[in-house]
Amino acid sequence: SAVISQKPSRDICQRGTSLTIQCQVDSQVTMMFWYRQQPGQSLTLIATANQGSEATYESGFVIDKFPISRPNLTFSTLTVSNMSPEDSSIYLCSVSGFEGTQYFGPGTRLLVL
Amino acid sequence: QQPVQSPQAVILREGEDAVINCSSSKALYSVHWYRQKHGEAPVFLMILLKGGEQKGHEKISASFNEKKQQSSLYLTASQLSYSGTYFCGTDLVDYKLSFGAGTTVTVRA
Repeated sequence: SAVISQKPSRDICQRGTSLTIQCQVDSQVTMMFWYRQQPGQSLTLIATANQGSEATYESGFVIDKFPISRPNLTFSTLTVSNMSPEDSSIYLCSVSGFEGTQYFGPGTRLLVL
Repeated sequence: QQPVQSPQAVILREGEDAVINCSSSKALYSVHWYRQKHGEAPVFLMILLKGGEQKGHEKISASFNEKKQQSSLYLTASQLSYSGTYFCGTDLVDYKLSFGAGTTVTVRA
C-alpha cells in the first residue's frame, strides 16, 4: 500500500481565515479523495481530486468553500476557506487501491475558534 | 445511501466473540471494513467482493450476503488490540465509498 503524509498534522485557526492542507503520496496514484470526519462521527467524502481537471464534489460541498488542487499524480491540496467553528474536524486524504480499497493519510486535526 | 451498521457499540472481555453488521438499501458490488483507533487514521481490514470472495490480512473474518445486501464482521476470541471503531464502506461509482456510522468495540482484560 502507498505511504501517505499530510501537512499540517493539526492546527488551530481563527474564524474567517483559510487553511491549506497538503497530501503527499510516495507513488503515483490515479484516484485521490478528501474526507471530513467530525468529532465522533463517520467519514464523509468531500471530493475526488482529479489530476489535470477540476475536482468532483459531493453533495453539500462546494468549490468556493473547499478548493482542491491536484497538480500531479502524487500530490493534492485541500483548502478550507473562510472557516467557522463548524469546520472543526479531521480532514483526511486517501488513495484508492485494489477494488476501490481506501488507504488513508494520518489526517489533519483542525480546530477553528 | 449510507450503509447502516449495528450495534452502535459493544463491550467485550478478552477471548469473547462479537459480530458487527452492515446493511445497504442498494445492490452492492463490494463491502470494505476498516478499523480506526482513537487519534489515528482508519486502517483497511478486509474487502468482500460480489461472488463471495473474501480478502483480508488479519485473523478477523467476514461474510457478504449479496441477496440481503449485507455484510457481517466476526471478531473471534477478541484481543485487547481489537479495540477501536469499525466502519464498513460500500461502493459508489468511480471507486468512491460510503461509510457507515461506525461500531465502537471495547475489549477489556
